[in-house]
Amino acid sequence: KAGVTQTPRYLIKTRGQQVTLSCSPISGHRSVSWYQQTPGQGLQFLFEYFSETQRNKGNFPGRFSGRQFSNSRSEMNVSTLELGDSALYLCASSFSGDRGGTQYFGPGTRLLVL
Amino acid sequence: GESVGLHLPTLSVQEGDNSIINCAYSNSASDYFIWYKQESGKGPQFIIDIRSNMDKRQGQRVTVLLNKTVKHLSLQIAATQPGDSAVYFCAENDNQGGKLIFGQGTELSVKP
Repeated sequence: KAGVTQTPRYLIKTRGQQVTLSCSPISGHRSVSWYQQTPGQGLQFLFEYFSETQRNKGNFPGRFSGRQFSNSRSEMNVSTLELGDSALYLCASSFSGDRGGTQYFGPGTRLLVL
Repeated sequence: GESVGLHLPTLSVQEGDNSIINCAYSNSASDYFIWYKQESGKGPQFIIDIRSNMDKRQGQRVTVLLNKTVKHLSLQIAATQPGDSAVYFCAENDNQGGKLIFGQGTELSVKP
């Protein structure tokens, strides 16, 4: 099976712009979770989607949003970018997202905000 | 204010030695725990997991130990190899679907 894929791998934006990142889960996986990784804060949970519905949400401002499509592919959007949004954005997929459901990570999208 | 990067604990071991990486978790309600390995420029890679009804679980060259009394998790790597050099994260799940809470990570350096 192909692993989790994320596009684009690298992105440079300027403050105030918006960005959309894409994640394709492992075939058959219905849960997609998004994480932000920075040197200062480590790995932090953004949100989780399951069957096109947001099931869990972390402590991020409303500028961070996401969605999931019927084929389980997911996108996240960050509006009005700030310098502090520079990070590695990771998505992970699992079969159901329930406890005991192993999450497999993609390679990440590295976003640089100038 | 100025942000300060996390100072990752570092473990340096000789090739062939055993490594033990420790993790303290925060939520007594957490009932599922995972160890991930992250190499530079890559996403976290699943190593091994354990549920709260177990104290120990073994994989290939790796063992995870769970002590719920003191909320402590450890990862033991036998016969550590240079390819094991990476940052290792523990993560916990408290039955909130796909939400994992990650530890700060430990950088493992293996000297040949």
